[in-house]
Amino acid sequence: AQKVTQAQTEISVVEKEDVTLDCVYETRDTTYYLFWYKQPPSGELVFLIRRNSFDEQNEISGRYSWNFQKSTSSFNFTITASQVVDSAVYFCALLTTDSWGKLQFGAGTQVVVTP
Amino acid sequence: GAVVSQHPSRVICKSGTSVKIECRSLDFQATTMFWYRQFPKQSLMLMATSNEGSKATYEQGVEKDKFLINHASLTLSTLTVTSAHPEDSSFYICSARSYGSSYQETQYFGPGTRLLVL
Repeated sequence: AQKVTQAQTEISVVEKEDVTLDCVYETRDTTYYLFWYKQPPSGELVFLIRRNSFDEQNEISGRYSWNFQKSTSSFNFTITASQVVDSAVYFCALLTTDSWGKLQFGAGTQVVVTP
Repeated sequence: GAVVSQHPSRVICKSGTSVKIECRSLDFQATTMFWYRQFPKQSLMLMATSNEGSKATYEQGVEKDKFLINHASLTLSTLTVTSAHPEDSSFYICSARSYGSSYQETQYFGPGTRLLVL
């Protein structure tokens, strides 16, 4: 069975602070894909990043960075120098090769950035 | 690229009426689309998988006669909430599966439709 755990329900920070969102996943598949999506108050899910299970190279994109650790089944996401516009719910999701394309979402983490 | 649209963005209807929501992939062909439902402060719940040219596959507990799904073309899927009741009020989101190869598989989401049944 697949499972995604986002233990942090809500994180509140002051602008310019860094924010790290935790994501732990469970799967028996050896080939899988991990995603992060952002859902601002408007409701639309915005795709941020996809990681394949065979690619553990971590990535930095502007103020965003991701840390994929297969040994601990974690796929954490960091926002550096947070801004008010980063306030949103962030979802981690897992896709396995035998899931017929179905994403398994975590519960989401609400990020609140105050000025 | 990879834009998904949904229409309408918001709908208010009376109890007992039917509501149709459209999901379109604008710049790619999507053989598979997914329909989700999201209640306030909760995660997305998959309702059904919509495959072009075939019947939709519903998740356990989702009434297929209540939520009619049609995927008539590679760019359009529709969800019809039949005889809507207040408990059907929710945020409905569709996604379209895009993949050139398995390494590139990604789901892109529409902006969602807020349904309020009075």
